[in-house]
Amino acid sequence: KQEVTQIPAALSVPEGENLVLNCSFTDSAIYNLQWFRQDPGKGLTSLLLIQSSQREQTSGRLNASLDKSSGRSTLYIAASQPGDSATYLCAVRGLYGGATNKLIFGTGTLLAVQP
Amino acid sequence: KAGVTQTPRYLIKTRGQQVTLSCSPISGHRSVSWYQQTPGQGLQFLFEYFSETQRNKGNFPGRFSGRQFSNSRSEMNVSTLELGDSALYLCASSLSGTGGWNEQFFGPGTRLTVL
Repeated sequence: KQEVTQIPAALSVPEGENLVLNCSFTDSAIYNLQWFRQDPGKGLTSLLLIQSSQREQTSGRLNASLDKSSGRSTLYIAASQPGDSATYLCAVRGLYGGATNKLIFGTGTLLAVQP
Repeated sequence: KAGVTQTPRYLIKTRGQQVTLSCSPISGHRSVSWYQQTPGQGLQFLFEYFSETQRNKGNFPGRFSGRQFSNSRSEMNVSTLELGDSALYLCASSLSGTGGWNEQFFGPGTRLTVL
């Protein structure tokens, strides 16, 4: 059974700092891994999707890496800003279980960027 | 291009009642998935619909059901509401494919409170 863990659960950093969020998963048989951002009481915003054959993806100040063999992904945020404050979630889509888009989510990292 | 829309945004019901939530996917998307988010359990997969057929189902009681219409819009229904059904219900849409490139996009959610 796939399990997804995110460490740390919460993180507080001063503005301008570079930071890394971690995501680990137990079953490496995945189609892809997706990083999301969630603001309080709101829906999820897709940040990056990494296919299982890829090592990393970049979008602006965000860079996500994937090491499928070790079951790990990291989300790197450069030059953090107060507007980056949110909960960050990673989710994997497994290879097995038939044709499905079902995602298994981690518990999230609550990020606070202090001005 | 319009994003995923969900209605209503907020609902207050009493125990024993039933409720219907609606989701309109991004134009051209044929897969719709539903998730329940609670502080204690995080994000959990309810079910997925593709071309009006349920393609996958999570581990929820039969009180939770759904359907998809020919225009890909989806509804989920919860009957005999319990206090524990209070949650944010999120809908996600994606293109028909299940390849690793298939990104999922979430709506703003429906906040259900059961009194």
